[in-house]
Amino acid sequence: NAGVTQTPKFRVLKTGQSMTLLCAQDMNHEYMYWYRQDPGMGLRLIHYSVGEGTTAKGEVPDGYNVSRLKKQNFLLGLESAAPSQTSVYFCASSYPLAPTNTGELFFGEGSRLTVL
Amino acid sequence: SQQGEEDPQALSIQEGENATMNCSYKTSINNLQWYRQNSGRGLVHLILIRSNEREKHSGRLRVTLDTSKKSSSLLITASRAADTASYFCATDHPPQLVFGKGMKLTVNP
Repeated sequence: NAGVTQTPKFRVLKTGQSMTLLCAQDMNHEYMYWYRQDPGMGLRLIHYSVGEGTTAKGEVPDGYNVSRLKKQNFLLGLESAAPSQTSVYFCASSYPLAPTNTGELFFGEGSRLTVL
Repeated sequence: SQQGEEDPQALSIQEGENATMNCSYKTSINNLQWYRQNSGRGLVHLILIRSNEREKHSGRLRVTLDTSKKSSSLLITASRAADTASYFCATDHPPQLVFGKGMKLTVNP
């Protein structure tokens, strides 16, 4: 079992370039999330998905787009990268404990993005 | 912001001592979870406590929850150097999980 796999692990971009981060999970989880982690800010939710074909905005969605065409994959796109998007990005997946309870999150190892 | 806050932000102790971390949050919750993050790695789930529970144990971990005070504590007993990590509390706002800013624990051998 690989769990949650993120690619790439490291990337350097120039301002204005675009890129896509890929997250894949093999646990058949319904929920998937993209967070960014910055020093002193903790983890902030960018976008999430509660099932194949669905996406929703989190706390800091501006400048990012996502897609969940297949249940096991959740893609995070940056259309025009900015230095403020320099961060470590984490993907996570989960199963609902109940309609009113979020279960344990399983995290990938992170993708470190630098925008020059 | 719904974000919880851990206290203290950093703690340095000797191996064998106990470490206590506190988390305060602002809105009502269904459950509260604690995670550990080793340097350069992803977060790992430690324990989940539901809103109708007051205390939960898992190995050397003890978590308490006081919903009236909107606070939780994580106790690590008999700490080891391998416990050196950042610890985060996270509150459940279905289907989202909102993380605090984290606190750094250093256990000195």
